[in-house]
Amino acid sequence: ILNVEQSPQSLHVQEGDSTNFTCSFPSSNFYALHWYRWETAKSPEALFVMTLNGDEKKKGRISATLNTKEGYSYLYIKGSQPEDSATYLCASKDTNAGKSTFGDGTTLTVKP
Amino acid sequence: KAGVTQTPRYLIKTRGQQVTLSCSPISGHRSVSWYQQTPGQGLQFLFEYFSETQRNKGNFPGRFSGRQFSNSRSEMNVSTLELGDSALYLCASSLQQGRNYGYTFGSGTRLTVV
Repeated sequence: ILNVEQSPQSLHVQEGDSTNFTCSFPSSNFYALHWYRWETAKSPEALFVMTLNGDEKKKGRISATLNTKEGYSYLYIKGSQPEDSATYLCASKDTNAGKSTFGDGTTLTVKP
Repeated sequence: KAGVTQTPRYLIKTRGQQVTLSCSPISGHRSVSWYQQTPGQGLQFLFEYFSETQRNKGNFPGRFSGRQFSNSRSEMNVSTLELGDSALYLCASSLQQGRNYGYTFGSGTRLTVV
């Protein structure tokens, strides 16, 4: 994988459903993986910074895991709420001074 | 504390002109990065500055340039504007460059080239 890829591109769920999305990134020269939530008309908001293989981070109903050996990260949302509707971006950084490469995002819509 | 401030919020320029966008990072943040988002495209990395030095640059033509001042404020300049430069330009700041530091984004500057 040369780029950062996110799937699915979009997701529609009902309120209360749990959901998850995937971020795939180059596993060589891995340095850090960031997750952001970007709501319409707002700035991207940092969710997690993940650096170690096996990392698991949690923030309320949102959690994320990291596998640097195979180059993927999962983001989970438990019991989705309408306010979770946003585009979720991941970004991979490969060196301390390297650029962050963003995926195209997964757009989540939670219907009441 | 104040967040990342980008000015102006909106800008309309004519093809061939040049433009300068400004970004004031969170107080104490020394790293500033710039990104471009065009319709249908994800965030494309432009450049990153740390302590007034450009540390990395994305794959953009030389018309795109930037700098960082001693107070960590950063400016981005685009010369000889083209219609394809119409985009949302986001600035993000970070306390340090290390792996454990995430970014805080500004609200962006929406540039329209006509």
